Amino acid sequence: ETGVTQSPTHLIKTRGQQVTLRCSSQSGHNTVSWYQQALGQGPQFIFQYYREEENGRGNFPPRFSGLQFPNYSSELNVNALELDDSALYLCASSLSRGTYEQYFGPGTRLTVT
Amino acid sequence: AQSVSQHNHHVILSEAASLELGCNYSYGGTVNLFWYVQYPGQHLQLLLKYFSGDPLVKGIKGFEAEFIKSKFSFNLRKPSVQWSDTAEYFCAVIADRGGGSNYKLTFGKGTLLTVNP
Repeated sequence: ETGVTQSPTHLIKTRGQQVTLRCSSQSGHNTVSWYQQALGQGPQFIFQYYREEENGRGNFPPRFSGLQFPNYSSELNVNALELDDSALYLCASSLSRGTYEQYFGPGTRLTVT
Repeated sequence: AQSVSQHNHHVILSEAASLELGCNYSYGGTVNLFWYVQYPGQHLQLLLKYFSGDPLVKGIKGFEAEFIKSKFSFNLRKPSVQWSDTAEYFCAVIADRGGGSNYKLTFGKGTLLTVNP
């Protein structure tokens, strides 16, 4: 069984740029959630995708957007990067939107300078 | 909206000491509760979970947690910690609104546990 994978591992961007982060869900899982973990904080929910549609969104501005593909992999896109976007971005997959257990990937460390 | 409070930012123990990490949540309805652990250099892993039934739940590596509904608490315990338990521990809750809308894990800020050999 393949776990959740994310790419890239690390990324450095300049303020104002755009970034795309990628996630492959665990085998058999059709739901993907994205979280932002700032230094010294717990993860904060960004949004969730279920069968290619957004299934809920946290308190993040529209410049944070996402996609889910037919194979249930997912992308997180952030436009007009700000310094405060520097964080660890976590992807989690779950069997279905109605199940509670989420399995996390290793994360992508984004640094905005 | 639900929120989660973890009482201790950093806990330092010696091996064989007992551990209790506090967690309180705010939400008046049905909740599903979790403890996740993040070992140094590793990703978040599920330590244990509570959905319903026996309020005392057992997880991996000798950890257990007790759900006390009247206190909105879900404290994590271990009778005797080991050096390998050094990690950051996160309490999290999903508010159960049913119908597939129970999608969002709300995390506490985490407690860093350092176990000295």
